[in-house]
Amino acid sequence: KAGVTQTPRYLIKTRGQQVTLSCSPISGHRSVSWYQQTPGQGLQFLFEYFSETQRNKGNFPGRFSGRQFSNSRSEMNVSTLELGDSALYLCASSAGVGANVLTFGAGSRLTVL
Amino acid sequence: ELKVEQNPLFLSMQEGKNYTIYCNYSTTSDRLYWYRQDPGKSLESLFVLLSNGAVKQEGRLMASLDTKARLSTLHITAAVHDLSATYFCAGPNQAGTALIFGKGTTLSVSS
Repeated sequence: KAGVTQTPRYLIKTRGQQVTLSCSPISGHRSVSWYQQTPGQGLQFLFEYFSETQRNKGNFPGRFSGRQFSNSRSEMNVSTLELGDSALYLCASSAGVGANVLTFGAGSRLTVL
Repeated sequence: ELKVEQNPLFLSMQEGKNYTIYCNYSTTSDRLYWYRQDPGKSLESLFVLLSNGAVKQEGRLMASLDTKARLSTLHITAAVHDLSATYFCAGPNQAGTALIFGKGTTLSVSS
């Protein structure tokens, strides 16, 4: 059974640019959550999508957005990148909506210069 | 809002000895999760504790949950090098819509 797949794994951007990260959940999982991991703030919840609808959102500015497609694949977008957006972005999938057992992908490591 | 505090944040362990990591959380929760993260890798689910008094064991790791004390512990028996990693506990936020993670406890095992 394939796990959660995230692309790209690594990327470097400059301030002001935008970035799109992709996540393919485990087959059959309809919920996709996104987390940001930084050394200072730890793991912080960004948002969750279920059946193409954003169900929950963390405390991040509007520059962070996402969407989910009919095949449950999800993308997140960060616009007008800032240095502080440098982080590991983790996607997780679960069978149901909300705080369930999450299976995480390998993450996308974003560096903003 | 749920706050999750782990201690210690760093633990240097000697091979063969026993250690305990503590996870305190601030509001009532009937569920607690433990994850492991190796350097540069993703998070791996270790334990799901679903009720007061729940105890789960896997190899040298044993996790327990005391919902009345709002405390979960992760006990390591006879530490080995393979256990070197960062361990996170997490609980659902008040609305049950997301997991709130602790800062993580980084374990380092030396011989």
